[in-house]
Amino acid sequence: DTEVTQTPKHLVMGMTNKKSLKCEQHMGHRAMYWYKQKAKKPPELMFVYSYEKLSINESVPSRFSPECPNSSLLNLHLHALQPEDSALYLCASSLRDLSDGYTFGSGTRLTVV
Amino acid sequence: AQSVTQPDIHITVSEGASLELRCNYSYGATPYLFWYVQSPGQGLQLLLKYFSGDTLVQGIKGFEAEFKRSQSSFNLRKPSVHWSDAAEYFCAVGLMEYGNKLVFGAGTILRVKS
Repeated sequence: DTEVTQTPKHLVMGMTNKKSLKCEQHMGHRAMYWYKQKAKKPPELMFVYSYEKLSINESVPSRFSPECPNSSLLNLHLHALQPEDSALYLCASSLRDLSDGYTFGSGTRLTVV
Repeated sequence: AQSVTQPDIHITVSEGASLELRCNYSYGATPYLFWYVQSPGQGLQLLLKYFSGDTLVQGIKGFEAEFKRSQSSFNLRKPSVHWSDAAEYFCAVGLMEYGNKLVFGAGTILRVKS
């Protein structure tokens, strides 16, 4: 298995909703990442998990809450989002460091209404 | 601060023509360098990477890139473009000391005309 699987592929949520994005990999990668990509922009790092511990939070608002229940799974819990949070949310993983690059999932297209 | 510059927002080439996409980086040491490709609404696929050794690296789909330290550049090339190469291409710098963070350039949209 050489994939990063993200679910759902599309999500529409209201500003008062709570939802979660899920990311899964079975490549034995020990680092996992959340990136946010606005339309016509490059991806921007949100969070890094290394060996299931949060190692980097790029000053992301608390309405985004990451969770890494085990080495294969990464969640992003969403609560009280704003319309400007609408974006493509990309999950990625890497073995340990950058020598093999990241493997990206296909993303979740989030629309906040 | 570390940065990645892709000076061309859009490039249009004819099918069968050669392609070069430019990338310059600003970093204190030789960074890890990557090229990724993204089709509309999709994730990113790694084309190739460089962090040491031979400065000409080969990637998937017939792409290659050359690292030039003196110019702080890592340009992507392909000798003959196919219509299926139309996509957005991102150059990225990998920062191991920042938790393996990738910093992306703004991207170059490639259009292929038949």
